[in-house]
Amino acid sequence: GENVEQHPSTLSVQEGDSAVIKCTYSDSASNYFPWYKQELGKGPQLIIDIRSNVGEKKDQRIAVTLNKTAKHFSLHITETQPEDSAVYFCAASSPLRKFYFGSGTKLNVKP
Amino acid sequence: ETGVTQSPTHLIKTRGQQVTLRCSSQSGHNTVSWYQQALGQGPQFIFQYYREEENGRGNFPPRFSGLQFPNYSSELNVNALELDDSALYLCASSSEPGANYGYTFGSGTRLTVV
Repeated sequence: GENVEQHPSTLSVQEGDSAVIKCTYSDSASNYFPWYKQELGKGPQLIIDIRSNVGEKKDQRIAVTLNKTAKHFSLHITETQPEDSAVYFCAASSPLRKFYFGSGTKLNVKP
Repeated sequence: ETGVTQSPTHLIKTRGQQVTLRCSSQSGHNTVSWYQQALGQGPQFIFQYYREEENGRGNFPPRFSGLQFPNYSSELNVNALELDDSALYLCASSSEPGANYGYTFGSGTRLTVV
């Protein structure tokens, strides 16, 4: 089955700096890669996603890149704000939309 | 448009007991997936239901079972509870099994087994 690894497990940045979270996956059949933000006491919320036929996608301060050959994808957050503090999960999905999640990155943005 | 709602929000059970968790999917969504999220871990896929039939299952034992009803709401049942079943149980709905978008999670049910 699919195996998704996520790094780092914790990330602390100063407000205004950029944050990068990296994930690798093992199954070449995975074709959809969403990123979720989870705040305390809440379910994961989709923040951005990318399909395997696209190399990069951007939405305001958030961008995701995908390297299919190397089987890795990354989340980039620019101009971080304290409200970006949360746990972020990457996931890889088969066509069935059975999601395999990484172990999460706790992002702390210091004011 | 309502989102995904789960009940109860918190639950404490004794080892060996049985539990039923409930999920109401987002309006217009006919597919429901259940995930188990242990503390400090990412969610793990339990199973998916589409049009009242199981449509895929993760590596969970048979004591984890589910149902989907004609209105697309769903239940997760766990028999013979073990201490390791303590986790946040998440339900997610989507408009179809292969949908790329609109995969919406509820806030989860926190189950504690003592």
